[in-house]
Amino acid sequence: ENVLTQSPGTLSLSPGERATLSCRASQSVSSSHLAWYQQKPGQAPRLLMYGASRRATGIPDRFSGSGSGTDFTLTISRLEPEDFAVYYCHQSGSSPRTFGQGTKVEIK
Amino acid sequence: QVHLVQSGAEVKKPGASVKVSCKASGYTFTNYFISWVRQAPGQGLEWMGWISSNNGNTNSAQKLQGRLTMTTDTSTSTAYMELRSLRSDDTAIYYCARDQPYYGSAYWGQGTLVTVSS
Repeated sequence: ENVLTQSPGTLSLSPGERATLSCRASQSVSSSHLAWYQQKPGQAPRLLMYGASRRATGIPDRFSGSGSGTDFTLTISRLEPEDFAVYYCHQSGSSPRTFGQGTKVEIK
Repeated sequence: QVHLVQSGAEVKKPGASVKVSCKASGYTFTNYFISWVRQAPGQGLEWMGWISSNNGNTNSAQKLQGRLTMTTDTSTSTAYMELRSLRSDDTAIYYCARDQPYYGSAYWGQGTLVTVSS
């Protein structure tokens, strides 16, 4: 099983600041199969990025993704109030598919 | 527009089974997979499995094999997830999602809370 480890567990930042979220895989992941999801309380997950660096439809360009192999990053260039949420990375390149444990971005 | 509408909350006793439905609309059902993901209270996302709506092929998490059955009814564009021999740690919100390899899951159901309690 390809274990995805996200860091940090919690990120305390102020609106307007830059957020950098990390996702490290125990085995190499094809970039084509690395996605990021955002989840707010009481809501279903929302697809942000697919193919490691491609924004899903309607996702603002302050969100960007990068990485390859075992190290991937989600960056939010300037946090907006609606960006405070939990973020999950997800790999679908090998079975079983796996999610990271999540990074909570909270208001400082 | 694409919609996935799931069945309502369920309360089950340990050892029972639950079957959650996920009715799709707004797209050609057989062109996409359906994935199932669950989330225990206060916990992260757990991938359960996927089913091809075209041919019924499935792939599921090993820990659930033997208890999990995923099916589709193409005549009603509905996917089903049945989990048997329920335990208290199966208490979770269960989500279905339209799945497209490489492109991720852009559409999700609203979630179905399954509570397992004696």
